Amino acid sequence: SQKIEQNSEALNIQEGKTATLTCNYTNYSPAYLQWYRQDPGRGPVFLLLIRENEKEKRKERLKVTFDTTLKQSLFHITASQPADSATYLCALDLGTNAGKSTFGDGTTLTVKP
Amino acid sequence: ETGVTQTPRHLVMGMTNKKSLKCEQHLGHNAMYWYKQSAKKPLELMFVYSLEERVENNSVPSRFSPECPNSSHLFLHLHTLQPEDSALYLCASSTTGGTEAFFGQGTRLTVV
Repeated sequence: SQKIEQNSEALNIQEGKTATLTCNYTNYSPAYLQWYRQDPGRGPVFLLLIRENEKEKRKERLKVTFDTTLKQSLFHITASQPADSATYLCALDLGTNAGKSTFGDGTTLTVKP
Repeated sequence: ETGVTQTPRHLVMGMTNKKSLKCEQHLGHNAMYWYKQSAKKPLELMFVYSLEERVENNSVPSRFSPECPNSSHLFLHLHTLQPEDSALYLCASSTTGGTEAFFGQGTRLTVV
C-alpha cells in the first residue's frame, strides 16, 4: 500500500543551525512533492514544490531535494530562527489537483533561542 | 490570510445535533476540498469538488454530507456525529490541475 513517512515526530535544534526534515515514500510515483508549514490551530500554508524531474529547489532560507531513486525528499531550513518553529508536512501528488495530494503526518520543529 | 475563509472557527455539538460548516474562497479557483485532521494523524481527504464533479473518500461516514452550490462556496453538513469525529476540519481550494492548495484556518469541532 502507499505510504509516506516523515522522519520523526519532533525535531529540536538550536537557533542558527540548519534543520533537516525527511520525507520517505513507498509505492508512489509522484509527479511532484510539496512542503507545507502548519502552525497550531491553523491550516497548512504552502512553502515549496519540487517536480519529479528536479533535484533541488531553493527559496530564501529553504532548500528541498528530491531523489526519486531513494524515494526521499529532504527539506532544509538554514540559519533557523525561533519563528521557524511549526509542523512541516510533506505531500505527494500524482499530478491531478493539488488538493488531492496525500499528506505525511508531519514533523514538529522547535528552534530554541 | 490565504483567501479561504471557514466559519465557524470553533464548534461544540451534541451527538443528536445538526450543524453545517461553511467555506468560502474568492481566489477564482474551481476545485474545493474538505479534509479532516485528527491528533497525531495525517490530513485525511474527505471530499473533492472539481469542475462540478464530486469525488469522495469511500471511508467517510454518511453522517458527513458535502454541498457545493457554486465554485466559491462549500459546505459540510453534520448530523448524528460521534465523539471520534472531533477534529480540525479544513477546507482547501486550488485551480484544477494546480500545484498549490490554499487552506482555510479550519473549524475545530468537538462532539460531546
